[in-house]
Amino acid sequence: QKEVEQDPGPLSVPEGAIVSLNCTYSNSAFQYFMWYRQYSRKGPELLMYTYSSGNKEDGRFTAQVDKSSKYISLFIRDSQPSDSATYLCGAGAGNNRKLIWGLGTSLAVNP
Amino acid sequence: EAGVTQFPSHSVIEKGQTVTLRCDPISGHDNLYWYRRVMGKEIKFLLHFVKESKQDESGMPNNRFLAERTGGTYSTLKVQPAELEDSGVYFCASSHPGTTGANVLTFGAGSRLTVL
Repeated sequence: QKEVEQDPGPLSVPEGAIVSLNCTYSNSAFQYFMWYRQYSRKGPELLMYTYSSGNKEDGRFTAQVDKSSKYISLFIRDSQPSDSATYLCGAGAGNNRKLIWGLGTSLAVNP
Repeated sequence: EAGVTQFPSHSVIEKGQTVTLRCDPISGHDNLYWYRRVMGKEIKFLLHFVKESKQDESGMPNNRFLAERTGGTYSTLKVQPAELEDSGVYFCASSHPGTTGANVLTFGAGSRLTVL
């Protein structure tokens, strides 16, 4: 079983839609969770990270973690064509700096 | 502030040849990481430097891979001899010293390796 599971999509939505991206994880030792965005031919860039269960909001983006069900979500409100990218979830534990990554979900926001 | 720079952006070599990938981290970032993404698979950790010392190389696939970071600045990743399964995108990332817990990485654009 993979430690972090993520549906690769692709996901296609109209501009302005609310997007929900999800991951599950199996390792109870994971303490922090991250979302990275990767545009084509670029490296991943950090969007958000969180340590605890609950929601964290940054502009149009909300990261949600439910440790009881080992579920990680990223919501994008009022999606824009510029949000079209691959979204990667990652998880880590303690001082272990080895992020464990999901496959990434390919998102296309259509004008 | 300059970002993480990787070279070459794309390398095509034949099986058995040698390739060296280079990464220049953000100035002042003591932590340097190499990751690899094989097509259709997740990004996988290869190794972690703190300055010039290898902190963790548990992700290195085999002894055909050699990473160095002389002087604690740029790093190289050499694959010798390359095999078909080494094809993928090799990412370098760096982070500031003193970053605890969450691993906030700044990635380079990656070096795409194609082994024919």
